[in-house]
Amino acid sequence: QQQVKQSPQSLIVQKGGISIINCAYENTAFDYFPWYQQFPGKGPALLIAIRPDVSEKKEGRFTISFNKSAKQFSLHIMDSQPGDSATYFCAASPYNTDKLIFGTGTRLQVFP
Amino acid sequence: GAVVSQHPSRVICKSGTSVKIECRSLDFQATTMFWYRQFPKQSLMLMATSNEGSKATYEQGVEKDKFLINHASLTLSTLTVTSAHPEDSSFYICSALRLAGGKNEQFFGPGTRLTVL
Repeated sequence: QQQVKQSPQSLIVQKGGISIINCAYENTAFDYFPWYQQFPGKGPALLIAIRPDVSEKKEGRFTISFNKSAKQFSLHIMDSQPGDSATYFCAASPYNTDKLIFGTGTRLQVFP
Repeated sequence: GAVVSQHPSRVICKSGTSVKIECRSLDFQATTMFWYRQFPKQSLMLMATSNEGSKATYEQGVEKDKFLINHASLTLSTLTVTSAHPEDSSFYICSALRLAGGKNEQFFGPGTRLTVL
């Protein structure tokens, strides 16, 4: 069954702290794992993405950690800022399609 | 680069009328676009895949006669909600697929808030 489980549902972090969001999947036939950031009333924006042949990818303050054997991947936001307050979605794409299967979302609030 | 627009951003209509939403890729060509629906505080639900020059592919449970999709050019896809009812009220988001060397990437529009009275 193609499903992506995301946790936590909501997260409160102090400014300067590390925000960590986790996702897990069951189907091994995924070959692309992007993370999206969505502000209220807006469309999702691609943050960072990783392929299963890499265990970690870093872009600025955002890092994806990927554990292929555990079928888990996570987003780390370093030095979290109030402007990072948004809803974050992980997603996974099956290797034979361009479709995306989204996680349930995590609402992040960063307080000064 | 990779900008996708949607029009209108908000629309209010009466029950029984039809509403058309446009999705445009502004700086790249997209043979494939996707239409999603999002309820408040929920995730994105894929409705259909729009392919330029061919019929759209609908996900299970999505009525193709109610949600008409037309992908007339490499930069434009439209979603028409026919005979809209209050339960069709939702946030509709499109994405355009940009071809890349490895996995192709989806870039999303800003969304359209539909309210059916």
